[in-house]
Amino acid sequence: KAGVTQTPRYLIKTRGQQVTLSCSPISGHRSVSWYQQTPGQGLQFLFEYFSETQRNKGNFPGRFSGRQFSNSRSEMNVSTLELGDSALYLCASSLVGGPGVQETQYFGPGTRLLVL
Amino acid sequence: GQSLEQPSEVTAVEGAIVQINCTYQTSGFYGLSWYQQHDGGAPTFLSYNGLDGLEETGRFSSFLSRSDSYGYLLLQELQMKDSASYFCAAPSGNTPLVFGKGTRLSVIA
Repeated sequence: KAGVTQTPRYLIKTRGQQVTLSCSPISGHRSVSWYQQTPGQGLQFLFEYFSETQRNKGNFPGRFSGRQFSNSRSEMNVSTLELGDSALYLCASSLVGGPGVQETQYFGPGTRLLVL
Repeated sequence: GQSLEQPSEVTAVEGAIVQINCTYQTSGFYGLSWYQQHDGGAPTFLSYNGLDGLEETGRFSSFLSRSDSYGYLLLQELQMKDSASYFCAAPSGNTPLVFGKGTRLSVIA
């Protein structure tokens, strides 16, 4: 079974621009979560999607948004980029997920975003 | 909310045993997971403890004590390829996983 894939793998943008990142989950997985990883803050939860609906959201500004398609593929968008948005953006998929549900999350290789 | 605390760095000798501790504060607890991440790579799942006690998977074992809000990851017969960052993580409320800041393990010859 193919793993979680993310595109692009690397991206360079300038402040003020916007960016869209894509994530394809493992086949059959319906829950997709996004995380931001930085040296200072570690891995932080952005949001989770299930059945094309945002089920949970972390503590990030509204510039960060996402969506999920009927095939469970997900995109996240960051508008008006700031220097502090430079990070590794990871998506993870699981079968169903949800509050109180213990399922292994499988991570993609991430998209490394550099904002200049 | 939930917070997980773990040491930032650990160094150990090839062939030795190393233990990485994780203490957590939780407002609801659904078990503790451990992930490994090599530099430039993605986090990969290692182990999960839902109940107190020890879970063993090859050279890796993980332990949980819910009464002490404490867990650890034990790596035996260390190999150079085990040099990586290790994260403890747990669900919290509606958040699928809250991660500790990670422990960077350096295995030396």
